[in-house]
Parts: sequence; C-alpha cells; structure tokens
Amino acid sequence: QQQVKQSPQSLIVQKGGISIINCAYENTAFDYFPWYQQFPGKGPALLIAIRPDVSEKKEGRFTISFNKSAKQFSLHIMDSQPGDSATYFCAASMEGAQKLVFGQGTRLTINP
Amino acid sequence: DVKVTQSSRYLVKRTGEKVFLECVQDMDHENMFWYRQDPGLGLRLIYFSYDVKMKEKGDIPEGYSVSREKKERFSLILESASTNQTSMYLCASQEEGWVYGYTFGSGTRLTVV
Repeated sequence: QQQVKQSPQSLIVQKGGISIINCAYENTAFDYFPWYQQFPGKGPALLIAIRPDVSEKKEGRFTISFNKSAKQFSLHIMDSQPGDSATYFCAASMEGAQKLVFGQGTRLTINP
Repeated sequence: DVKVTQSSRYLVKRTGEKVFLECVQDMDHENMFWYRQDPGLGLRLIYFSYDVKMKEKGDIPEGYSVSREKKERFSLILESASTNQTSMYLCASQEEGWVYGYTFGSGTRLTVV
C-alpha cells in the first residue's frame, strides 16, 4: 500500500515533443505528490508538486495532471529540450508522515 | 540555499569492512534521511531521523545503522559491508513540517568488492 509505481522505466522523445511519465498509487491517505528531477552526478531536486484538491498544476513547460479517482498522476513536459534529459522520480507522502515514498524512476532522453 | 554535503563521492570497500558514510547539512533542519538508489528500484528509505539521537527504520534497514550526535550531521554505517550493498547512497534533509522541502546531497557511490 505504500508503493508508488512509475512508468515507463525509460523514454526517448524528439526535441520539441511531449514527454509523459505516469505514476500510480494505492494508499488513499497520500496527499502530497511531488516530482523530482535528477541530472547525472547530482542528487534529485524538487521540480513540481501537487495536492489532490486540484486536477492540474502547471509551471512553465512542466505540468502535473492528477486523477484522484484513478489514483494516478502524471508529468507532462511540453516542447521537450535536450536539457530536460534526466531521471525523473514521482513521489508521494501523507499528512504528518514527512517521509516520501518514491517511484522507480524514468530515464528521459531528448534527442536533438 | 540549503546545502547537503556528502563526504565522499566514490568509495570502494572490501566485503566485511565497516563503512561510514557522512552527511552534513547547513540549514539547521530537523529531519534527515538516508536513501539508496538502484536502477529500476528508485529511491528506497534506509533510515531517518527527526532529531538529535533519534532514529527510525525505513523500508530497508537491514545491514545498516545510523548515528545522529549533532543536528547537522547524520551518518550511515554499514556494519559489515556486503556486495549487495553496492549502490548509490543519497542523504537528504528537510525542515520540519515542510514535506516538499527535501534537499538531497550529490550522493556517494559505494562499491563493495
């Protein structure tokens, strides 16, 4: 019940395309859903996050879509650029827990 | 900006050695975490600490222990290193009550031979 399942494991997108990464969870007590971005040789860094009271959150080219009934959320990267090539992790947490449960990670490659 | 510094970028240790991984944060954060990162498995929580001398087991604590004698420092200890502990280890800190605010270090890549 504490798991977050992420797919795909790897993704190749052409420059200018849309990158989509999906996550699913079981625990309905989860109420924070962040995405982290990790470049080679670096630790993950917070990219964008959403709470379940909204269905979508957009920051620049990055959008989280959230489907509470399906217990799924996804990251969309519009106009993908080679600089977006990184590993992306979804995560989830619940009120009072503070610790994050991470998905398995998606290695995204944007071809120029 | 919060900085989380992990003392070693790469380590190579022998099976059976006692290994210490050090992590220091400079923003007076209450919460600190140790994760390991493996391909296809994501980030898995080993141990975390909410305060000095406090520790709690995460999802995969077997073979590990931790020490937090000072607020800024959180050490991960491999009591007797084994080859299945070869991995990337990530330390993170977090201001209490701010679930978004994980700040990670750059990681220590440990190889046990």
